[in-house]
Amino acid sequence: GAGVSQSPSNKVTEKGKDVELRCDPISGHTALYWYRQSLGQGLEFLIYFQGNSAPDKSGLPSDRFSAERTGGSVSTLTIQRTQQEDSAVYLCASGGKPGRTSGRATEQFFGPGTRLTVL
Amino acid sequence: QKEVEQDPGPLSVPEGAIVSLNCTYSNSAFQYFMWYRQYSRKGPELLMYTYSSGNKEDGRFTAQVDKSSKYISLFIRDSQPSDSATYLCAMTLSGGYQKVTFGTGTKLQVIP
Repeated sequence: GAGVSQSPSNKVTEKGKDVELRCDPISGHTALYWYRQSLGQGLEFLIYFQGNSAPDKSGLPSDRFSAERTGGSVSTLTIQRTQQEDSAVYLCASGGKPGRTSGRATEQFFGPGTRLTVL
Repeated sequence: QKEVEQDPGPLSVPEGAIVSLNCTYSNSAFQYFMWYRQYSRKGPELLMYTYSSGNKEDGRFTAQVDKSSKYISLFIRDSQPSDSATYLCAMTLSGGYQKVTFGTGTKLQVIP
């Protein structure tokens, strides 16, 4: 597709279960970001990938959170042993084509998000 | 204290009004400044992007950056009901791909 897609769009889970959230970035984009958006909290940075490596994972809230990216494309965010405070919208964004050096170099294209509810 | 502060609103204005949205920040090393617009249940989309201090205009939108005051603004002229959305400021330390720090967003409603 033309844009960033995320799946599932909604996920309801029970406390203590593991969840996997998927992001399909725009084809050719080298950078991929995960954010969390809670009511009234804005976008909280979680992790950023350049290719398959993660130069900055400083935003992951705890070791229950992990993410990987394979083939420079699809990324999965995994939350283990979910807690109620993990309930939020998880947004993925991608950006950048190889060789781009200036201008709107930091533009990110966001997906629609996955709304996670932990009961 | 958050690195980027933004009044959450909501801000209600009549159609045609000039809207002023603002953010302050604490890290003087930020150099690239952006405004994103987010409609309900959608991902944010980039509206404006500026580097360092100065103004940038794009149609009805003007972005201003005052690095000496650590203050950025977005002005919307002739506001339309379709401008009703949440506006998030964002900033980075340098160009290229890296962590982006967002404000909490200001919810704007333009009343017809």
